[in-house]
Amino acid sequence: NAGVTQTPKFQVLKTGQSMTLQCAQDMNHNSMYWYRQDPGMGLRLIYYSASEGTTDKGEVPNGYNVSRLNKREFSLRLESAAPSQTSVYFCASSHLRLDSYYNEQFFGPGTRLTVL
Amino acid sequence: TQLLEQSPQFLSIQEGENLTVYCNSSSVFSSLQWYRQEPGEGPVLLVTVVTGGEVKKLKRLTFQFGDARKDSSLHITAAQPGDTGLYLCAGDSWGKLQFGAGTQVVVTP
Repeated sequence: NAGVTQTPKFQVLKTGQSMTLQCAQDMNHNSMYWYRQDPGMGLRLIYYSASEGTTDKGEVPNGYNVSRLNKREFSLRLESAAPSQTSVYFCASSHLRLDSYYNEQFFGPGTRLTVL
Repeated sequence: TQLLEQSPQFLSIQEGENLTVYCNSSSVFSSLQWYRQEPGEGPVLLVTVVTGGEVKKLKRLTFQFGDARKDSSLHITAAQPGDTGLYLCAGDSWGKLQFGAGTQVVVTP
């Protein structure tokens, strides 16, 4: 049982290049999330997918796109990378139930992205 | 906009000492979660508190949710080097989490 996996672990891009961050979970969770973590800022939600076939913007969606490929996989794409997108990116999943207060999110190990 | 304020930002203590981390908000959340994150890894959930005034204990860790469900605290008794990490609080709003900036705790032997 791998939990949440992310690829790649590290990436260096030049300004203007594009890339896709991959995320997969094997816990049969319905909801998936992408966050970025910057020093002193905590984790900020970029996009989320409450269920297969739906995606919604989070707090900081500009410059990103997402695809919920199937129930297991949720990818994050940077079309034209900028230095401001240098960050650590985390994918998370949960079995979201709106009638429950206990919506634990399980996080992947992160992707460390540097944009030069 | 940071809806959840954590204090202090950094805490360095000796093994065996006690410590308290605070999480404050002007908003009411349906529940509040505490996570711990170690270097190079993603956050891992420690506890979820739901009811105002609720106190939960996890071995040497005590979590309290304020009566108005706007603030919370984490108290560690007799800290050990294994408690070193970044402690994050997160308010749950319909399954979406709002995170605080975190408190970096360092426990030295």
